[in-house]
Amino acid sequence: QVQLQQWGAGLLKTSETLSLTCAVYGGSPNIYYWNWIRQSPGKGLEWIGEINHVGRIKFNPSLRSRVTMSIDTSKNQFSLKLNSVTAADTAIYYCPLYYHIGAPLTDSWDQGSLVTVSS
Amino acid sequence: DIVLTQSPGILSLSPGERVTLSCRASQSVSDNYLSWHQQKPGQPPRLLIYGASSRAAGIPDRFTGSGSGTDFTLTISRLEPEDFAVYYCQQYGISLPYTFGRGTKLEIK
Repeated sequence: QVQLQQWGAGLLKTSETLSLTCAVYGGSPNIYYWNWIRQSPGKGLEWIGEINHVGRIKFNPSLRSRVTMSIDTSKNQFSLKLNSVTAADTAIYYCPLYYHIGAPLTDSWDQGSLVTVSS
Repeated sequence: DIVLTQSPGILSLSPGERVTLSCRASQSVSDNYLSWHQQKPGQPPRLLIYGASSRAAGIPDRFTGSGSGTDFTLTISRLEPEDFAVYYCQQYGISLPYTFGRGTKLEIK
């Protein structure tokens, strides 16, 4: 059973850099799509970006200029950096992994990290 | 961006009933890359359906996805108590960004 654990700073000030890391335990799927998604009352669910098993990276164009995503396959870790944060970046951040073990796609989510940006 | 409109916003139903949720896209979703997620209070979302009609691993067969192009539905054939939650559709086609609908909340009548 693949499980995810996420960590990073939960309270930031305006203009600082959000930094989150997500690790996978219990398996190393060969075919996967690792995403960052955030959720806030005002914007609902918002997709930030994705890295897949062949290293293809996709970004939300509205966040592209502020986002860095990287993956360390040796550690089974996936990282997100979002710079120049504002109050609009306050949200719960998730790092869901969609993957195939066998035919149907499945997913694993961490419990999410609440990131609050204040002035 | 592709805007996904989900209707209705809230549905009040009883266990045992059949329900169909709607998701309409502002433009065609490429390759029918449309998924449905379920979210319960205090929990992350969970994938139910991908590719418009394929069930994710471990999802009961009372959940059925259908549709193509701009119109998609999720049908729950017989509501169980654990199905009362918020349901989101998401498109993940070639048009970036991937986008989510605002959700339909199923509540117990």
